[in-house]
Amino acid sequence: DSGVTQTPKHLITATGQRVTLRCSPRSGDLSVYWYQQSLDQGLQFLIQYYNGEERAKGNILERFSAQQFPDLHSELNLSSLELGDSALYFCASSVASGGTYEQYFGPGTRLTVT
Amino acid sequence: GESVGLHLPTLSVQEGDNSIINCAYSNSASDYFIWYKQESGKGPQFIIDIRSNMDKRQGQRVTVLLNKTVKHLSLQIAATQPGDSAVYFCAETLLPTDKLIFGTGTRLQVFP
Repeated sequence: DSGVTQTPKHLITATGQRVTLRCSPRSGDLSVYWYQQSLDQGLQFLIQYYNGEERAKGNILERFSAQQFPDLHSELNLSSLELGDSALYFCASSVASGGTYEQYFGPGTRLTVT
Repeated sequence: GESVGLHLPTLSVQEGDNSIINCAYSNSASDYFIWYKQESGKGPQFIIDIRSNMDKRQGQRVTVLLNKTVKHLSLQIAATQPGDSAVYFCAETLLPTDKLIFGTGTRLQVFP
């Protein structure tokens, strides 16, 4: 158990809908990362927050957004869902940012868009 | 449940043998590299890391080798065990960013 929790574990929704994925980092970790893992694209970095502020952005679609709240939990919002958004979404956390800080991954949320 | 793609390169080894998993990284400027292990239905788990000023780093039963000339990274697992069966990913980054770029992964299967 990495100490990172993600909810829900599974999510099935229809195209065009909007969903919110939630992540609670390990106690004391200030940095949260979101990754998408799909069969054809592998593991891809989406976005990073550090202590409530956006720190780095990857190949995140404009339909996707994220935020980190004062209690350090984070949410990833996916809107106007398409079939291709079906994937595993992982959250990771680390104690700090900008160095060789180990990222601890949560168990993931499996999103299925039908 | 299935975590990753079905068409990953696969390495099959016998229990007790040594395993070598290879990775070609993409950015010659990357200066920090990490190996992750992902078991079915779980998130990636850190195994070992190495900075670009090193050629080799050893952990418990694992060794990472870095060849910057050819942008190649390898993970050696000694005395492979059934519990080592998983998909292994290399990741690279350019410090001080935390943005990891992952390789495609290799599935390690250990048979008795």
